[in-house]
Amino acid sequence: DTGVSQDPRHKITKRGQNVTFRCDPISEHNRLYWYRQTLGQGPEFLTYFQNEAQLEKSRLLSDRFSAERPKGSFSTLEIQRTEQGDSAMYLCASSLARTGRTDTQYFGPGTRLTVL
Amino acid sequence: DQQVKQNSPSLSVQEGRISILNCDYTNSMFDYFLWYKKYPAEGPTFLISISSIKDKNEDGRFTVFLNKSAKHLSLHIVPSQPGDSAVYFCAASEGGNAGNMLTFGGGTRLMVKP
Repeated sequence: DTGVSQDPRHKITKRGQNVTFRCDPISEHNRLYWYRQTLGQGPEFLTYFQNEAQLEKSRLLSDRFSAERPKGSFSTLEIQRTEQGDSAMYLCASSLARTGRTDTQYFGPGTRLTVL
Repeated sequence: DQQVKQNSPSLSVQEGRISILNCDYTNSMFDYFLWYKKYPAEGPTFLISISSIKDKNEDGRFTVFLNKSAKHLSLHIVPSQPGDSAVYFCAASEGGNAGNMLTFGGGTRLMVKP
């Protein structure tokens, strides 16, 4: 069973450093989402792609955050000049969008970021 | 402004009894609702969903009820099992499908005691 995978699972970095996370969706899924979850809260939507097109990015938290999905398969989320407030779990989800059908998002295990 | 709220941060239930988790929303444009379960150090796992054209959806031990006039949904687990102990999130989306952003509640921690 190849579910959504994320790498790394844990990342510790120093304030001011850049970090990049990778997400590999379920293979036939055409939509890919990024969420952030902080302690005691539900996941918060950041951005999503349909194939390689980034269809919504207004919810990215600042211009330090960017995401790519260059070939419509895996995606990367980059945070530049990390701040302590960026410490959170970063979740990726994927879904198969089909005309006239609702699609369900399936989540990966997440990448836990700690900024010192 | 929290558009999806889970007002009970925790719930404790005896094994074999019913667990009822509640969720309220304020955005009348939401038309698709989902429940996810989350274990520590794992991502959320999809449980069950319901479209706004229905008021009930059932899948095994899990049933979701939707009351659109009250903007309220609930998840019933019968019978509850110790393995159900986890954090449960309700989520909602607009636009007739779940293919857009999900708005999550803050979660309810369910503890099922043997």
